[in-house]
Amino acid sequence: GESVGLHLPTLSVQEGDNSIINCAYSNSASDYFIWYKQESGKGPQFIIDIRSNMDKRQGQRVTVLLNKTVKHLSLQIAATQPGDSAVYFCAETYNQGGKLIFGQGTELSVKP
Amino acid sequence: DAMVIQNPRYQVTQFGKPVTLSCSQTLNHNVMYWYQQKSSQAPKLLFHYYDKDFNNEADTPDNFQSRRPNTSFCFLDIRSPGLGDAAMYLCATEASDSNQPQHFGDGTRLSIL
Repeated sequence: GESVGLHLPTLSVQEGDNSIINCAYSNSASDYFIWYKQESGKGPQFIIDIRSNMDKRQGQRVTVLLNKTVKHLSLQIAATQPGDSAVYFCAETYNQGGKLIFGQGTELSVKP
Repeated sequence: DAMVIQNPRYQVTQFGKPVTLSCSQTLNHNVMYWYQQKSSQAPKLLFHYYDKDFNNEADTPDNFQSRRPNTSFCFLDIRSPGLGDAAMYLCATEASDSNQPQHFGDGTRLSIL
């Protein structure tokens, strides 16, 4: 079978609360950043992206913040719902396209 | 509608018995990727095709091979699966001339007996 898995960082929130998931990226030359949501038994699903010439981008109920000074990315989910429960991965790439470098992932658990 | 389709969703094979996983896409993307994802870990890139050009990652074992007979299909061949190869295998596609991120399939869960 598989090797013993690591334990992902876990964030547990109450339904209706806001969630903030953080990610430290590795390459100061990275210029495109993506957040993916992965539900159990499924592939990563695109949520939102941001390019390095921006520091904030908003989608529906989600906001991504980029701090290039400290190489930090965050995903904010407003009014978190049980359907938001999943593992969230940040990913970075240079010159958009090509190899994605994934962060370790955070498991979001939403309590009803 | 699924645009990156992986078959089968679950695959069981015996130790050492070759296995092939398939990926097809309806997006007409020119780049296709194969990732390995183990439990509670991020996807790990194995290799990718940029059009017909194969690009292997330096740390991908020789046991893993890939074929891309046309734009729509890409296969992952594991020649002699070991217990450590049990994982989720994800296919992703991308259009290199677009500003869109990689689009993933739902993966094939491979178990080794």
